[in-house]
Amino acid sequence: DTGVSQNPRHKITKRGQNVTFRCDPISEHNRLYWYRQTLGQGPEFLTYFQNEAQLEKSRLLSDRFSAERPKGSFSTLEIQRTEQGDSAMYLCASSPRGGGGTDTQYFGPGTRLTVL
Amino acid sequence: GDSVTQMEGPVTLSEEAFLTINCTYTATGYPSLFWYVQYPGEGLQLLLKATKADDKGSNKGFEATYRKETTSFHLEKGSVQVSDSAVYFCALSPYSGGYQKVTFGIGTKLQVIP
Repeated sequence: DTGVSQNPRHKITKRGQNVTFRCDPISEHNRLYWYRQTLGQGPEFLTYFQNEAQLEKSRLLSDRFSAERPKGSFSTLEIQRTEQGDSAMYLCASSPRGGGGTDTQYFGPGTRLTVL
Repeated sequence: GDSVTQMEGPVTLSEEAFLTINCTYTATGYPSLFWYVQYPGEGLQLLLKATKADDKGSNKGFEATYRKETTSFHLEKGSVQVSDSAVYFCALSPYSGGYQKVTFGIGTKLQVIP
């Protein structure tokens, strides 16, 4: 079990630039989630994929944000025209296909974004 | 909407002291409840969970009981160690029969001193 991996671990960018983060879930997990965590707060849900389908997006995900999971494996989260308010830790989690019960979400180490 | 309220930290305890971190929730129906832990420099890890009323989750000496009557899921440990120093997040997930969108509390930082 290699766990959920995220790259890069840290990203510093200037305001107005575009950034892209990658998440590789645990290999047999078909569900993938993105969360955002700002300093001193708990993670907040951004979006969810089941296989390659994006099934829910939070209203936190403005039109500058886009997420994809093209082959139902890894996922990317892109932020266009970054703003200082986008500075946060971006967390990815995955979980296995469930049978209607509670699936434990396994989190990656996160990508810390700093927008200057 | 769903929400989780947990005590603000930081909490500072001496080694071998008793730990309680309070957590209450607001949700419709019967959510599943979780405690996650985040050690310095690491990602979130599931510490324990409970999926129905009166269930007790336990792991690594930590325990929490799902109390529907008081909508609470307080975390306890009888004797903390320096290695328990971390941020602890209470969380809930509604039962949807499908995916779970987890709602987290703000986190409580625990510092254990020798």
